[in-house]
Amino acid sequence: KAGVTQTPRYLIKTRGQQVTLSCSPISGHRSVSWYQQTPGQGLQFLFEYFSETQRNKGNFPGRFSGRQFSNSRSEMNVSTLELGDSALYLCASSLSGGADTQYFGPGTRLTVL
Amino acid sequence: GENVEQHPSTLSVQEGDSAVIKCTYSDSASNYFPWYKQELGKRPQLIIDIRSNVGEKKDQRIAVTLNKTAKHFSLHITETQPEDSAVYFCAPISMDSSYKLIFGSGTRLLVRP
Repeated sequence: KAGVTQTPRYLIKTRGQQVTLSCSPISGHRSVSWYQQTPGQGLQFLFEYFSETQRNKGNFPGRFSGRQFSNSRSEMNVSTLELGDSALYLCASSLSGGADTQYFGPGTRLTVL
Repeated sequence: GENVEQHPSTLSVQEGDSAVIKCTYSDSASNYFPWYKQELGKRPQLIIDIRSNVGEKKDQRIAVTLNKTAKHFSLHITETQPEDSAVYFCAPISMDSSYKLIFGSGTRLLVRP
C-alpha cells in the first residue's frame, strides 16, 4: 500500500498571503488529522476529518481551516499568513481515527517571510 | 488526553544502557496509550501502544507499562543502540469520545556510541 503523501513538500510565502496544503491518505483510511510541528511547541493538533466531516478542532485561530473530499483526500488552508505560521505541517491518516494507528505523511515545510 | 506531560525532555545514555521516558496525563477517560518515534528529518511512526486493560506490553527491546491509577505510562528501551536516537512522543487518547490526539512535548533521546 502506498503511504500518506503530502504536497507540496516545501513552500515559501510572504506575510498576508494564503496557502493550501494537500494530504492523500492511505487507501481505505477515512480519517485524516492535521498537526503543526514547531521546535518550541512540539506537535499540535489542528483538526480531524472523517467522511468529509470535521469531528474535532484544536486551539488555532479561524485562519486555519480544512476540508475533506469524498475520496478522503484532505486540504488545509491558512489565510493571512503570519511569520509564526512557519512550521512543518503533518497530516496523518487512520482507518477511523481515535485509537487507530496514525500513519503520518512526510509533511509540508512552510516558511513565511 | 487533554493535559499531557513528558519527562525528561532530553535524555542521553551510553549505548547498551536502558532508557525510560514517562508520560503523565490528566484525562481519566484515556484508554489507549501509544508511543511515537520521530527520527531527525523524518515523520513520526508508531513504535508501541497499549490499551487500558493491559498493564505491560513488550516488543523486543521496547516495552510500555501503564499505571492507570496514577495516570501515567512509560516507554522502556533496553540495550539502547545509536539508531534509537530520536524524539519520542506519547499521545494518550480516549477511544470512546475523542478524535483529538494531544501529544506530549517530546523527549529527545541521544544514544552515545
